[in-house]
Amino acid sequence: DSGVTQTPKHLITATGQRVTLRCSPRSGDLSVYWYQQSLDQGLQFLIQYYNGEERAKGNILERFSAQQFPDLHSELNLSSLELGDSALYFCASSVDPGAGSSGSYEQYFGPGTRLTVT
Amino acid sequence: DAKTTQPPSMDCAEGRAANLPCNHSTISGNEYVYWYRQIHSQGPQYIIHGLKNNETNEMASLIITEDRKSSTLILPHATLRDTAVYYCIVRRHNAGNMLTFGGGTRLMVKP
Repeated sequence: DSGVTQTPKHLITATGQRVTLRCSPRSGDLSVYWYQQSLDQGLQFLIQYYNGEERAKGNILERFSAQQFPDLHSELNLSSLELGDSALYFCASSVDPGAGSSGSYEQYFGPGTRLTVT
Repeated sequence: DAKTTQPPSMDCAEGRAANLPCNHSTISGNEYVYWYRQIHSQGPQYIIHGLKNNETNEMASLIITEDRKSSTLILPHATLRDTAVYYCIVRRHNAGNMLTFGGGTRLMVKP
């Protein structure tokens, strides 16, 4: 158990719909990351939040958005869903002391949310 | 971040040491080598990381060559539960903390 929780575990929805995935980081971790894993693209970084602020963006579509709340939990919102959005969505958290700092901080991943778009 | 090259698959006998290689010939001086693994659609699991010295923890050992252009992850006594995809990742520190996953090595531990 990594200490990172994600809900729901499974989500089945139709094309064109909107869904929200939720992540609670490990206690004390300020950074939250979202990753997408599809069969053809592998594991891809989407976006990172640090203490409520967006910190880095990866290959995140404009139809997707995320936020991190004051209690540090994060939500990933996926809208206008397409069949190709079907994937595993992982959340990870880390201590991450902030920009420009030295030292390395490993990430701990949640169990993921499996999204199926029909 | 430096690119890594790993064999797509490897087999190992249960109870034997599993040695997983990774090539990172373009690694920079401030880049760390990380290893993660993913057991069948579960969330990736952190294993170990290092900069230039060899590292050991309760899960594995990491051997980094002196020129830092390659490394080997060693699972000293592989079990069936070690069957997973193992990812070698090279990462800088001051450009965000995201991980860039490649294809990894699919390790099959056989009885």
